[in-house]
Amino acid sequence: DVQLVESGGGLVQPGGSLRLSCVASGFTFSSYRMSWVRQAPGKGLEWVANIKQDGSEQFYVGSVKGRFTISRDNARSSLYLQLNSLRAEDTAVYYCARDFPDTSGWYYFDYWGQGTLVTVSS
Amino acid sequence: EIVMTQSPATLSVSPGERATLTCRASQSVGSNLAWYLQKSGQAPRLLIYGASTRATAIPARFSGSGSGTEFTLTISSLQSEDFAVYYCQQYSNWPPTYTFGQGTKLEIK
Repeated sequence: DVQLVESGGGLVQPGGSLRLSCVASGFTFSSYRMSWVRQAPGKGLEWVANIKQDGSEQFYVGSVKGRFTISRDNARSSLYLQLNSLRAEDTAVYYCARDFPDTSGWYYFDYWGQGTLVTVSS
Repeated sequence: EIVMTQSPATLSVSPGERATLTCRASQSVGSNLAWYLQKSGQAPRLLIYGASTRATAIPARFSGSGSGTEFTLTISSLQSEDFAVYYCQQYSNWPPTYTFGQGTKLEIK
């Protein structure tokens, strides 16, 4: 079975940093693009970042560009999100998700982890 | 950025009845539209992709339709486990800037 398990969340002060991890199992991790999606408390879903299978290409939502960095280690079947210069509005549950290609060539999210909570507060 | 708008925000329906949820895109997304279900305290779960294709193990009472800018998710006979929040998501552009609707909460009437 496909499993995605996030970790690394916690309480951090504004301006601080945190590194999230997602360990994948049950599929060939290196064959799939991966994404991070977040959900602020009581709010909807927001895509945050995406990375190509070999890590050579990354994309970000505008609000996190220059502050967050997505990366991966295919040997460890792991996805990462480095969060720097954190703000209160970054408080959310962060999910890792597997990108799956549609017949059109575009990607939707077919599997999600359970998420890890990041709280930015003084 | 493509903006996705879902309606209604909250839908009250009795078990066994039909529910119809709507999602509109600010510009055409073709058929590159997915629906997700999220129960309280859980991760989202994929229901529909390609606007109308059910994901693995999704019951036939769930159906999706539409293309371009107007999409519908229909649940033909609501079961207790279907009461949750539903999100639509477009995945039609590159570089990817996937966007979600704000969600429809389906509650028991």
